[in-house]
Amino acid sequence: AAGVIQSPRHLIKEKRETATLKCYPIPRHDTVYWYQQGPGQDPQFLISFYEKMQSDKGSIPDRFSAQQFSDYHSELNMSSLELGDSALYFCASHQAGSYEQYFGPGTRLTVT
Amino acid sequence: AQRVTQPEKLLSVFKGAPVELKCNYSYSGSPELFWYVQYSRQRLQLLLRHISRESIKGFTADLNKGETSFHLKKPFAQEEDSAMYYCALPNQAGTALIFGKGTTLSVSS
Repeated sequence: AAGVIQSPRHLIKEKRETATLKCYPIPRHDTVYWYQQGPGQDPQFLISFYEKMQSDKGSIPDRFSAQQFSDYHSELNMSSLELGDSALYFCASHQAGSYEQYFGPGTRLTVT
Repeated sequence: AQRVTQPEKLLSVFKGAPVELKCNYSYSGSPELFWYVQYSRQRLQLLLRHISRESIKGFTADLNKGETSFHLKKPFAQEEDSAMYYCALPNQAGTALIFGKGTTLSVSS
């Protein structure tokens, strides 16, 4: 069965650079979530989209933005990267009518 | 406010021993609770959801509304069960999952 796809798997950036992470949800899933998991930390909710509209916002810094496109894929744009942004970024998707979320493999971002 | 508490950061057991990973929650109303497992910093995988009352990989979890708990249990732990386990529930708006801090399960022979 198709799963959530994230791209790239690994990304190394320098401080103050920008990064774009991509997420392709499971087909027919209309909601996408972004989570950040720091080393040894639990996943923290960043932002979510339902039907291409932002549905909720968590602890996402102002330096980050995201959107969901017409094909339901989502992109997380990160600017002015800081060392503390180094983390595993997960995308998850689900279908309306269920709270169950399916996670992608994550993008490991390292900021040097 | 919704909250998930996993009181144990690490649980270390021998192979074949019973395992219970604790999860307590606070939620206004009837929550839908989940257990996710994460092996070696891989993706979070859904292990169990309380509404389905199923057993996956020998694990079970029962929602106890009186004690506001959703403990994860397995009668005989295996080495391949070693992983990080997260208990989670939706926020009140249903727009995100709230995770506990996680419990690392280490099973050794």
